[in-house]
Amino acid sequence: KAGVTQTPRYLIKTRGQQVTLSCSPISGHRSVSWYQQTPGQGLQFLFEYFSETQRNKGNFPGRFSGRQFSNSRSEMNVSTLELGDSALYLCASREMGLAGDEQYFGPGTRLTVT
Amino acid sequence: AQTVTQSQPEMSVQEAETVTLSCTYDTSESDYYLFWYKQPPSRQMILVIRQEAYKQQNATENRFSVNFQKAAKSFSLKISDSQLGDAAMYFCAYRSQSQFYFGTGTSLTVIP
Repeated sequence: KAGVTQTPRYLIKTRGQQVTLSCSPISGHRSVSWYQQTPGQGLQFLFEYFSETQRNKGNFPGRFSGRQFSNSRSEMNVSTLELGDSALYLCASREMGLAGDEQYFGPGTRLTVT
Repeated sequence: AQTVTQSQPEMSVQEAETVTLSCTYDTSESDYYLFWYKQPPSRQMILVIRQEAYKQQNATENRFSVNFQKAAKSFSLKISDSQLGDAAMYFCAYRSQSQFYFGTGTSLTVIP
C-alpha cells in the first residue's frame, strides 16, 4: 500500500495570508490526525478526523481548521497566518482510530511564514 | 492534564553499545497506550514500539525494549547493540481515546 502523502512539501507564505495543506491517508484508513512540529514545542496535536467528523481537537486557536472528505483525504487550513505558525505540519493516519492503533505519519509540509 | 516529559534533549552512544532514553508521563486515566517514535533526519516519523498500559509485561521489538513502570509513570526505551541507523530524534508519546501527547524528543547520536 502507498504510505501517507502530504502536499505540498514546502510552502512559503506571508503574514496575514491563509494556507491549505492536504493529506492523503493510507488506503482503508479512516482516521486522520494533524500535528504541528516546532523545535521548541515538539509535536502538538491539532485535531483528528474520523469518517468526515472532527473527533478530537487540541489546544489551538480557531484560525486552524480542517475537514475530511468521503474518501478520507483531509485538508488543514490556517487563516491569517502569523510568524509563529512556521512549522512542520505532520499528518498521520490510523485504520480505525482506536487508541492502540499504529499511526502512520506522512513526510510533512514545511510551512514558512515571512 | 496529561503531559509527557523527556528530560534528555540529547544523548550519544557508541556503536554496538546500549543506550536508554527516559520518559515520564502524568495522567489520571487508567486505560492508555504508550509509544516510542523515531524521526530520522529525513523526517518520516515511524513507530518503534508500543506498550498497552494494562499489560505488565514490557514490550520488545528486536533490539528495542521498554521498561514500563506504571506506578512511577515511567516508560524508558532501551536500544541494544546500537547501529548507525539508530541515529534520530526519538519521541515518547501517550495516547488515550481522546488525546495524543508527545514529549519534546531526545536526539540520539551514534558514534562509530
